Amino acid sequence: GAVVSQHPSRVICKSGTSVKIECRSLDFQATTMFWYRQFPKKSLMLMATSNEGSKATYEQGVEKDKFLINHASLTLSTLTVTSAHPEDSSFYICSAPTSGNFYNEQFFGPGTRLTVL
Amino acid sequence: AQSVTQPDIHITVSEGASLELRCNYSYGATPYLFWYVQSPGQGLQLLLKYFSGDTLVQGIKGFEAEFKRSQSSFNLRKPSVHWSDAAEYFCAVAPPSNQGGKLIFGQGTELSVKP
Repeated sequence: GAVVSQHPSRVICKSGTSVKIECRSLDFQATTMFWYRQFPKKSLMLMATSNEGSKATYEQGVEKDKFLINHASLTLSTLTVTSAHPEDSSFYICSAPTSGNFYNEQFFGPGTRLTVL
Repeated sequence: AQSVTQPDIHITVSEGASLELRCNYSYGATPYLFWYVQSPGQGLQLLLKYFSGDTLVQGIKGFEAEFKRSQSSFNLRKPSVHWSDAAEYFCAVAPPSNQGGKLIFGQGTELSVKP
C-alpha cells in the first residue's frame, strides 16, 4: 500500500517555542491531507484538512493561529504548533487519501509525539 | 450528531481464543465503515471496510466484521487470536459518497493477549 511518513517521530520542546511536523506521501500525490490529534487512551480527533494550494479547513474548536498548516506541494503538508504549551503535548497523526474514482482509502503516518516542557 | 461508540476500552483474551470487538454508530444514513489497528510506532493500518453489499466483510490478518443495519453495529471478529494481535483497534465511519474525506473514530479498544 501507499506510504505516509512523518518527521520527527518524537520532539521535546520548551514552552513558548514553535514546532514543525512534516507529513509526506512517499509514493503518491495527495491534494488533501488530514491532521489528527490523539490523547492517551483516547480516540483520534480530526483537527484540520490540509488542501494543496489553498487554506486549510479547521474543525470547530481548533485554533487556526495556533496550529498552522501549510500544504506546499502534492506530497508535503506541515503542521506548526506555535507558542507551544504543555497542554499541546499530544500525539499528532496525519493521513492522506490516495486518488481514485471511488472511495479513496486513507493511509496514515506513524505519528509524532510532542512533549512540551 | 454523528458518533462511533466502542463500548469496551480494554479486552484481554487468551491466545487461540476467539475475539469480538464491538462498534456501534449513530448516523443519519448508513455510512462507510472501517476498522483500523494501531500498533506502537506504526501508523494506523486498515483491517477491513464496508461500503455496501455483503454484510460480512473479510479483512487482512484473519479478521472479519459483520454489518448489522438494524443494530447500527459493525463488530470485528477473529476466530483465533495470536499474540501479535495485541494492539489498539479503532472503528471509524465516513459519510456516504465521501471521496476520501474525514473519518470519525471510536474511542478505541485495547486488546491484550495472554499466553
